[in-house]
Amino acid sequence: EAQVTQNPRYLITVTGKKLTVTCSQNMNHEYMSWYRQDPGLGLRQIYYSMNVEVTDKGDVPEGYKVSRKEKRNFPLILESPSPNQTSLYFCASGGTMNTEAFFGQGTRLTVV
Amino acid sequence: AQSVAQPEDQVNVAEGNPLTVKCTYSVSGNPYLFWYVQYPNRGLQFLLKYITGDNLVKGSYGFEAEFNKSQTSFHLKKPSALVSDSALYFCAVRDRAGYALNFGKGTSLLVTP
Repeated sequence: EAQVTQNPRYLITVTGKKLTVTCSQNMNHEYMSWYRQDPGLGLRQIYYSMNVEVTDKGDVPEGYKVSRKEKRNFPLILESPSPNQTSLYFCASGGTMNTEAFFGQGTRLTVV
Repeated sequence: AQSVAQPEDQVNVAEGNPLTVKCTYSVSGNPYLFWYVQYPNRGLQFLLKYITGDNLVKGSYGFEAEFNKSQTSFHLKKPSALVSDSALYFCAVRDRAGYALNFGKGTSLLVTP
């Protein structure tokens, strides 16, 4: 079964404490991306990766890092989280040109 | 730059009635257009897409969408709404030269019994 797996699903953390949200896909997709979803703003792309070791900024990259050391994994790193990064985060796999993206279940992050 | 507008924050419809969720887009050239649905506490699920060809696209769960190039619209439709269709719906656009998928702000659909 095609899957995009994110962990954790829910996370409450304190300002400044580094965290990583993992994302893994089993579809052998080259393209992966991270979005954040905020009420009234829809989904906005944070970072994307065209392939292993190839990453680039999306629309809202400030405060985030990513890495792509393996094709299947694309972790999102918040080195010093702040309250304005409280959001619902989605990892997506695939979705280039005329193909649809597959989304993970989401990670609800609260930074206090 | 490409963008998507979903003019309605919420759409209310009675079960059994037809539903329409509106989407307009702005993109250079011909677009790829997508609809996704998000149920509570779930990720986004793909419903349907327009690539080329027939302007009426059929998708999952009885949904369809009509591509109108002159009006730059891609409205989502269903002939007979179900209570279980209640969810958040997102329209998205991608231009044919790139990879980025731009989403609208979402429309909350509420189907009442």
